[in-house]
Amino acid sequence: DAGVIQSPRHEVTEMGQEVTLRCKPISGHNSLFWYRQTMMRGLELLIYFNNNVPIDDSGMPEDRFSAKMPNASFSTLKIQPSEPRDSAVYFCASSWGQQETQYFGPGTRLLVL
Amino acid sequence: AQKVTQAQTEISVVEKEDVTLDCVYETRDTTYYLFWYKQPPSGELVFLIRRNSFDEQNEISGRYSWNFQKSTSSFNFTITASQVVDSAVYFCALGSNDYKLSFGAGTTVTVRA
Repeated sequence: DAGVIQSPRHEVTEMGQEVTLRCKPISGHNSLFWYRQTMMRGLELLIYFNNNVPIDDSGMPEDRFSAKMPNASFSTLKIQPSEPRDSAVYFCASSWGQQETQYFGPGTRLLVL
Repeated sequence: AQKVTQAQTEISVVEKEDVTLDCVYETRDTTYYLFWYKQPPSGELVFLIRRNSFDEQNEISGRYSWNFQKSTSSFNFTITASQVVDSAVYFCALGSNDYKLSFGAGTTVTVRA
């Protein structure tokens, strides 16, 4: 079975540019999570969707970050405009329910110059 | 508040040695879930095991074994006869009544040939 799919795997962009990260959760999962991993802060939950509805976006750092889930098989995380401090690995994860095991995608390594 | 402590920052062993990773957790919830995830050098986060608080049975799966002790709030993980491919960062995580996972800081395991 396919796991969580993320694209792109690597992204290098310049400060001020718009960045869009994409995620396809495991089929049948109704919970989707976006995380950010940095050396300084470890893994941070950015936003949680349940049945395509954003439930908790308290981890989104600022208004430059936005996330959507238009359907059960696709989600995006957008950063506009990007800044060097946004450089990190962004993970998408999905699960069958909010207390079920979260399965992570391969991550997108973002570098903002 | 929930907290996960992985006191070991780095462990270095020679191939075929056993490796035990410590994890201590704090929670006020009576029902909770513990996880181990592996992050190899390639960067993805791989789910290894989940234990529910009401299931203290310890298991062995191949070269992996887990020791869950509610009395000491510990959930330790052992790799028997380590191999170079076991080199990775290992994260212990705690979840309970909602969707949030609290991750430890991770333990970097290096297995030398």
